[in-house]
Amino acid sequence: DTAVSQTPKYLVTQMGNDKSIKCEQNLGHDTMYWYKQDSKKFLKIMFSYNNKELIINETVPNRFSPKSPDKAHLNLHINSLELGDSAVYFCASSQRDRDSPLHFGNGTRLTVT
Amino acid sequence: TQLLEQSPQFLSIQEGENLTVYCNSSSVFSSLQWYRQEPGEGPVLLVTVVTGGEVKKLKRLTFQFGDARKDSSLHITAAQPGDTGLYLCAGEGQAGTALIFGKGTTLSVSS
Repeated sequence: DTAVSQTPKYLVTQMGNDKSIKCEQNLGHDTMYWYKQDSKKFLKIMFSYNNKELIINETVPNRFSPKSPDKAHLNLHINSLELGDSAVYFCASSQRDRDSPLHFGNGTRLTVT
Repeated sequence: TQLLEQSPQFLSIQEGENLTVYCNSSSVFSSLQWYRQEPGEGPVLLVTVVTGGEVKKLKRLTFQFGDARKDSSLHITAAQPGDTGLYLCAGEGQAGTALIFGKGTTLSVSS
C-alpha cells in the first residue's frame, strides 16, 4: 500500500526519558513534515524537510531533533521528555509544489507521565 | 502571522440536517484545503479550492472559496452519521512556510 506510516502508534513514557518516533513514506514525495496536535485538536507545524534538508523549523524546543536519512524517512527524537510534550504527533509528506496537499500518517499518541 | 479561524468549534446535529462550517482569515491565501480527520487517524484531504469565488461539490459536500480568497465555507446537505469527524481548513502561509491549519470543527451527527 502507498502510504505514510509512522511507529509506534502509542508511546507511554516517564518524564526525563528520551524517545524516538519513526516515519516512512513510499509516495515518492520530496517533502516531509512533523506536526503536533494538542488536546484541543490544533495541528501545528514543527519541522519540514525537503530532500533531507531542513527547510522549516518552527519555535520548537531543541530537545526535539528531526533526522532525515533519506527523502523517504523523517524520524523525530525527543530528549528529556516533559509532561507538556504529551500530544499526538503526525508525520506527513507532500510534493514540493506550492499548495500541494499533505498525506498524513495515522499519528503517534505520546503520553508523558 | 497568518491565522485561520474556524467556526463553529463544535456542532452536534441530527441525521438529515444541513450545516455550514466557516473558515476565515484576514490574510489572502493562494488556495485553501479542507481535510477530515477521524479518531485515531490522520487528516485526509477532501478538496482544494484555488480560484476566488470557486465552488466545488463532493457528493453532499459543497465547498466555496471567497472572492477575495480570505475565507472558505463547507456546506453539508442532509448530514449522515458517517459525516462525523473533525473538519479542518488549511492554507499555505507565506513563501517558505508550511501549511497552517484552523483549529477545526468537530461534527457529530446522530441517527
